[in-house]
Amino acid sequence: GNSVTQMEGPVTLSEEAFLTINCTYTATGYPSLFWYVQYPGEGLQLLLKATKADDKGSNKGFEATYRKETTSFHLEKGSVQVSDSAVYFCALSPQGGSEKLVFGKGTKLTVNP
Amino acid sequence: GAVVSQHPSWVICKSGTSVKIECRSLDFQATTMFWYRQFPKQSLMLMATSNEGSKATYEQGVEKDKFLINHASLTLSTLTVTSAHPEDSSFYICSARINRARRDTGELFFGEGSRLTVL
Repeated sequence: GNSVTQMEGPVTLSEEAFLTINCTYTATGYPSLFWYVQYPGEGLQLLLKATKADDKGSNKGFEATYRKETTSFHLEKGSVQVSDSAVYFCALSPQGGSEKLVFGKGTKLTVNP
Repeated sequence: GAVVSQHPSWVICKSGTSVKIECRSLDFQATTMFWYRQFPKQSLMLMATSNEGSKATYEQGVEKDKFLINHASLTLSTLTVTSAHPEDSSFYICSARINRARRDTGELFFGEGSRLTVL
């Protein structure tokens, strides 16, 4: 079946530190991969996505590369800010245009000034 | 981006009562909405797919008689937790897809979530 595994949190960093949140997946075929972010008190928002192998999604300084050989989609940011504090979810959409997203458990990030 | 709104954002009810949660797409029409459930420290789990004008499709293990879903219009889907019990306490999140023609495969817009506590 399809599944997403992301690193356990919580993650606490100082401002301007480098961020990596690991995400690996199991899926048949060629899924699309996503990172969603949930700020306190808000709904999930799409942060970035990649639809095929070797694609790099990027947004707001965050990046993730679709690695089919390692079935990974790790999220990175070179210099985090306090405003990046949120819960981050890795997700996949199975091949065939299925609309059903499969999520990881989420990783809570806290960035201290 | 597109806006999806849920109401109420939190609700406390007594065991045995029913609770209705609304999910509205504010600036677009959504032929399909999805209902997720999230337990503490767990991932979002898809409960059901709500299609406008037809019956919802439930995921395996989700009781359709307990979690009633109605998608009566292109901008509103409701989830009713019937005869709620403490084990139904959870965070319920809805999402909506704008239309099938979009190239962004799988992209969804989410509501803020509704936290249900059953005493």
